[in-house]
This record gives sequence, C-alpha cells and structure tokens, in this order.
Amino acid sequence: DVKVTQSSRYLVKRTGEKVFLECVQDMDHENMFWYRQDPGLGLRLIYFSYDVKMKEKGDIPEGYSVSREKKERFSLILESASTNQTSMYLCASSPVRGGTDTQYFGPGTRLTVL
Amino acid sequence: GESVGLHLPTLSVQEGDNSIINCAYSNSASDYFIWYKQESGKGPQFIIDIRSNMDKRQGQRVTVLLNKTVKHLSLQIAATQPGDSAVYFCAEKAIQGAQKLVFGQGTRLTINP
Repeated sequence: DVKVTQSSRYLVKRTGEKVFLECVQDMDHENMFWYRQDPGLGLRLIYFSYDVKMKEKGDIPEGYSVSREKKERFSLILESASTNQTSMYLCASSPVRGGTDTQYFGPGTRLTVL
Repeated sequence: GESVGLHLPTLSVQEGDNSIINCAYSNSASDYFIWYKQESGKGPQFIIDIRSNMDKRQGQRVTVLLNKTVKHLSLQIAATQPGDSAVYFCAEKAIQGAQKLVFGQGTRLTINP
C-alpha cells in the first residue's frame, strides 16, 4: 500500500513565525503535491513537484514556498505565517508510470495560526 | 473554465440502501476521473477511478458510471453501511498529460440506522 505521512497532525503557530510542513512518501512516486482544504472552498493546489528540485506553482502559491531535495520528501514552507493560513494542509503523491493518475493523500496537518 | 461540481451537498440514506452520489464536470477533454472518500479528520482516500474510454467500472460494493454525453459522473455504493459515512469527492484530470487534478466540493453522506 502507498503510504504518505505528514510530520504533524495538529500544529499551532503564531503570526509571523516560519512554519515547515513535511511530507514523506514511501512508493518512489515522482509527483508530489501540497493542497489546502477549507470549508466551502474544497481542495486547492498550492504547489506541486514533478521531480527532485523541480517545483511548479499551483492555484494559490502566494505566501508559500516548497522544497524537494529528495524524491520521497516534499516540504511546504510558510515564510511568515498569517491567520488566513489557518487551514487543513494535505500532501499527496502520484506515480508517473504504472498506468494510474491517482493521487494518494496523507492524513493532513491542521494548522492554526494565532 | 474547468470545474467539477456536485449536484447535492448532502445525502442521507438508510442503512442497507444503495447510495448514489453525483458529479458534473465541464471539460469534455478530461480523460480521467477519481472518487475519493474523506472521513472526519483524515485525508482523502482513493475509492475508484475510471478513464474516459469506459462507461462503467465496478469495485467492491462501489460502481462508477461515466456519461460523457452529458458530462456526468456518479458513484453508487451498494448496501450502505455506517462506515460509509464520509464526504465524497470527485476529481477530474482536466489537462492531457498533466498530473493536476480538479476537485469537486464534496457531498456529505450520512447513514441513518
């Protein structure tokens, strides 16, 4: 089974702090994604990566950056957290080969910015 | 623009009945569709997928139907159980060759005993 893990289930930070959200997948997937999920807005793509050191902006990249130094790890960085970044953050991965385009999700990190 | 939506935001069914969750999509060029289940406090879990060259695909207690003529997708859950209570999302791969998915808002399925 594909396993995607996220470093924290719950996180509370203060406005202005730098926040790191870590995601690791164990299936050697090339693609990795970061979404945020908010009530009434569904899942919105923040950033994604096709390969190590590659990154592409999603639909709402403002206020975020990412890092992919190793294939299995994709980090989301909030350079200076703000209250409007309080949300559920979901990481996902998918293979390039294997006949599927399915994205597999981690359990999520619920971030609260005070 | 591209969008994936749901006809009903909530659905209540009796335990043991069949459930049907609907989804409309707008991009006729979409070639891949997925249904996810998300339980409270958890990440979305893959249920079943279908490619645009198929009309129907069956899994364990679930069936996905694709009607390309009216751009409609549905998820049928047979003999609904309490553990089926969750939010169900459809997702669409809308750009040929790209890996981005477009997600619907979700339908909350509630099972009545």
